[in-house]
Amino acid sequence: DTEVTQTPKHLVMGMTNKKSLKCEQHMGHRAMYWYKQKAKKPPELMFVYSYEKLSINESVPSRFSPECPNSSLLNLHLHALQPEDSALYLCASSQVLGPLHFGNGTRLTVT
Amino acid sequence: EDKVVQSPLSLVVHEGDTVTLNCSYEVTNFRSLLWYKQEKKAPTFLFMLTSSGIEKKSGRLSSILDKKELFSILNITATQTGDSAVYLCGGGSNYKLTFGKGTLLTVNP
Repeated sequence: DTEVTQTPKHLVMGMTNKKSLKCEQHMGHRAMYWYKQKAKKPPELMFVYSYEKLSINESVPSRFSPECPNSSLLNLHLHALQPEDSALYLCASSQVLGPLHFGNGTRLTVT
Repeated sequence: EDKVVQSPLSLVVHEGDTVTLNCSYEVTNFRSLLWYKQEKKAPTFLFMLTSSGIEKKSGRLSSILDKKELFSILNITATQTGDSAVYLCGGGSNYKLTFGKGTLLTVNP
């Protein structure tokens, strides 16, 4: 088990659905991240929040919308996704400039 | 564009063998080099290296960074079947961590 908790573990959604992925950490970390990982590929950075402000957006399509309601929570809102968006979505947190600690991920399937 | 290259991409060894995994990087505003182990789910943190030439050790695992040659290695001695995993290397600059493709290590009994 990790100290970064992601829900749900699995999600199946249609292309017209709206859903949200949730991430929570209680380590006092001030940076939180979303990564996307396709099968047999390394994680790819999507978004970084630092002190609850969006600091990096890696040119992610607008159908992915991040939100950081407070320093412990990070959401990823999904709308009108495509089948190629199916992947493992990993949340991570860190102290400023410290190592990332990953959650177990949400396995997303878009049908 | 930041680039991290790992080699070999896959490796099969027998229990008890020693392995060396390689990682080279070209990262703008480089701050740190990180190693992770990934089995089925979350990558788990192994080492973070920021200074050249200083070896970090944890049990049978060790790692060292060469900032002049832009290179790091991860050594695993006396391998066990539980070491079977993908080992990811990441080059970090500020908040951005770019991963290599990983090395798939398989340790056979």
